[in-house]
Amino acid sequence: GAVVSQHPSWVICKSGTSVKIECRSLDFQATTMFWYRQFPKQSLMLMATSNEGSKATYEQGVEKDKFLINHASLTLSTLTVTSAHPEDSSFYICSAVLAGGPGEQFFGPGTRLTVL
Amino acid sequence: GDSVTQMEGPVTLSEEAFLTINCTYTATGYPSLFWYVQYPGEGLQLLLKATKADDKGSNKGFEATYRKETTSFHLEKGSVQVSDSAVYFCALRRTGSYQLTFGKGTKLSVIP
Repeated sequence: GAVVSQHPSWVICKSGTSVKIECRSLDFQATTMFWYRQFPKQSLMLMATSNEGSKATYEQGVEKDKFLINHASLTLSTLTVTSAHPEDSSFYICSAVLAGGPGEQFFGPGTRLTVL
Repeated sequence: GDSVTQMEGPVTLSEEAFLTINCTYTATGYPSLFWYVQYPGEGLQLLLKATKADDKGSNKGFEATYRKETTSFHLEKGSVQVSDSAVYFCALRRTGSYQLTFGKGTKLSVIP
């Protein structure tokens, strides 16, 4: 149980285009999901906290107009990187918290974004 | 603010060697402590956790004890295998919060 999927697992796009990444909790409901960014050989940097039915809370320094987060249902959150540039290339990981559970985060497998 | 400090890697060990990865933390109150493992190209998987002082978390031969007096949560395994090669992250979660604070990660390579 407690499986989180991400789609796509990797994506290559041209500079200036937008990319949408989906995060789904497959067998549980998640009122809270998190989006992280991981640079090569570095730790995870929390980008934002996504709560179902409300606006995401962004960490300091993360541009909310560039990284659009939508958490429209209890099993789906999306991250859209708008007008992507090469510096946005990274590994994006989401996690989901089981609704009503003890607060443990279950992580998705990550999405590798490469912007040319 | 909260922080987690891990020993710098990479760590290279021969199969069946003893593993220790040090982790210390700074936080107010009594956080929960975690070790996560990330295999190449994958997301994070929870390896073990401890929620209060002197708790020992264990899984797959790995162990870590919550030491409040030294604010540490060192990861140990008595005999590593090639399949243990991965990046290990120490993390804490403050009571009442869902947010995790991660260390920088330690890459472990186990050679036959």
